[in-house]
Amino acid sequence: ETGVTQSPTHLIKTRGQQVTLRCSSQSGHNTVSWYQQALGQGPQFIFQYYREEENGRGNFPPRFSGLQFPNYSSELNVNALELDDSALYLCASSFLNRGNTGELFFGEGSRLTVL
Amino acid sequence: AQTVTQSQPEMSVQEAETVTLSCTYDTSENNYYLFWYKQPPSRQMILVIRQEAYKQQNATENRFSVNFQKAAKSFSLKISDSQLGDTAMYFCAFITNSGGSNYKLTFGKGTLLTVNP
Repeated sequence: ETGVTQSPTHLIKTRGQQVTLRCSSQSGHNTVSWYQQALGQGPQFIFQYYREEENGRGNFPPRFSGLQFPNYSSELNVNALELDDSALYLCASSFLNRGNTGELFFGEGSRLTVL
Repeated sequence: AQTVTQSQPEMSVQEAETVTLSCTYDTSENNYYLFWYKQPPSRQMILVIRQEAYKQQNATENRFSVNFQKAAKSFSLKISDSQLGDTAMYFCAFITNSGGSNYKLTFGKGTLLTVNP
């Protein structure tokens, strides 16, 4: 089975620009979550998508938005970039079903630098 | 609020020795799962070990074991026979199952473990 893949691996943007990050879920998974990992910190939950709908959101402003597609791939969009948005963005997929452990499988991340 | 505290920002151990990483957490939920994730320099987060909160028996995966103390909300990771490949950032995390609707992982800030030859 294929793992979680993310693109691009690195990118540089300037303040005020917009960015789209992409994620391909692991085969058989129906849920995708996005996390922001600032340098030297643990990942922070941005949001989760289940069956193409947002299924939970962390403490991030509306300029962080996402999409999940019928093939369970996903996008994270960030508008009006700020310097503090510089971070590693992790995508994680899982199979959401009542009673399972919710184990997440992570991609390698997209390193965003905002200048 | 749900929080995870890892009080050891950095640790080091000699190859073949044993090291214990500490973690405490706080949640009002009774049904949850605890995890230790490893993030090597290549960045991909991989699962090391997991523990169901309703199980009293401590989880073990080869050289990795946990000491789960539910009342104290403590979840430490013991690595035996440390290997150079164990060098990584280790994150403690938990996930709650509130009716099966939200699987948000809450992470600690991590412990950077260095295994020295």
